[in-house]
Amino acid sequence: AQSVTQPDIHITVSEGASLELRCNYSYGATPYLFWYVQSPGQGLQLLLKYFSGDTLVQGIKGFEAEFKRSQSSFNLRKPSVHWSDAAEYFCAVGYMDSNYQLIWGAGTKLIIKP
Amino acid sequence: NAGVTQTPKFQVLKTGQSMTLQCAQDMNHEYMSWYRQDPGMGLRLIHYSVGAGITDQGEVPNGYNVSRSTTEDFPLRLLSAAPSQTSVYFCASSYSDSAEAFFGQGTRLTVV
Repeated sequence: AQSVTQPDIHITVSEGASLELRCNYSYGATPYLFWYVQSPGQGLQLLLKYFSGDTLVQGIKGFEAEFKRSQSSFNLRKPSVHWSDAAEYFCAVGYMDSNYQLIWGAGTKLIIKP
Repeated sequence: NAGVTQTPKFQVLKTGQSMTLQCAQDMNHEYMSWYRQDPGMGLRLIHYSVGAGITDQGEVPNGYNVSRSTTEDFPLRLLSAAPSQTSVYFCASSYSDSAEAFFGQGTRLTVV
């Protein structure tokens, strides 16, 4: 079965430090890849997405992600985190042959140390 | 810009009661979905719709019904609430099946 793995349930990073959140997917076909952010008590907001083309994609709030087909990964990065980045981050994958229905990772909670 | 509006934000039900979670979008999106979010499990798809009059089951459809009589509205019905349905429910819509999904604020449901 198709699956999306976010290996880190939570990550603690000091403010100003760099961040990398990991996402791996199981299925081999060409995926459509998304990162969403959820602030406490809120809905989900799209950070960035990859459909095709340049494997390094830029998103909102200074985030970027790189698609690595050989590693089945789509890791999210930010050079310098701010306290306002504290939230939960979800990776999601869609496939053309599954009618693009998204498969979601379990999420990674980001904690920012002052 | 209303986007996706869900009501209510909070609800407590007794086991066996029924209720409808409302979802409306004003972006003329064809695709709408209902998810439930449980700790450590991410989002799981309950039902989805690719247009008015068309609905289909997702990963966890049991105990829920949906209908899509208009493009704007996609209500989710709990037929006979069970404690296992305690969760946070999100409605989402998108312009197409591969486009960005816009989410509502969620409904926190507790079944006692």
